[in-house]
Amino acid sequence: SAVISQKPSRDICQRGTSLTIQCQVDSQVTMMFWYRQQPGQSLTLIATANQGSEATYESGFVIDKFPISRPNLTFSTLTVSNMSPEDSSIYLCSVERTGGGYTFGSGTRLTVV
Amino acid sequence: ILNVEQSPQSLHVQEGDSTNFTCSFPSSNFYALHWYRWETAKSPEALFVMTLNGDEKKKGRISATLNTKEGYSYLYIKGSQPEDSATYLCAFMGSNYQLIWGAGTKLIIKP
Repeated sequence: SAVISQKPSRDICQRGTSLTIQCQVDSQVTMMFWYRQQPGQSLTLIATANQGSEATYESGFVIDKFPISRPNLTFSTLTVSNMSPEDSSIYLCSVERTGGGYTFGSGTRLTVV
Repeated sequence: ILNVEQSPQSLHVQEGDSTNFTCSFPSSNFYALHWYRWETAKSPEALFVMTLNGDEKKKGRISATLNTKEGYSYLYIKGSQPEDSATYLCAFMGSNYQLIWGAGTKLIIKP
């Protein structure tokens, strides 16, 4: 199954700034998924990134706050914009696995101070 | 609102003991139930994707059962080892193919 390289693994950011998270997949995939896990909470899907079209955002998430790029079938970025402490979370990208289930990146642990 | 509940939230188990924990999910519009293991600083790793009521799957010392009629799945670990320490996540996939995740059971194996 696919291998995903996710960067950065962690960061501490000042409120009001932005952070861009990158995911590189070792094979071409149609859809990439971006998740957030806030402390003590479940994984929550932010958006689905498709190559060649705008990302599809879930309820409660908007493009201005979480802009996503998908320039080709192996790469995607998620930006967390104008950060506040409530954005402190683990952010994960994932792709579907052949045969079922999903493969995930190793996550970005973001702390906003 | 669809809810996936995992219990317990955390669990301390002596090395060598067996353990199990629960995932409860909606019993309607069921498509699949996923189990993942998530070790600190690593990627969540897929354990099982279960689709049939009564299904039982096994991977080494880990096994899982599924009851779609009553909406629960159990994950069992036999003879716990320190490397089993992780957070175990389940996710319900309904007929809309969207995943709804539980908050996880954090398992700590005491040597």
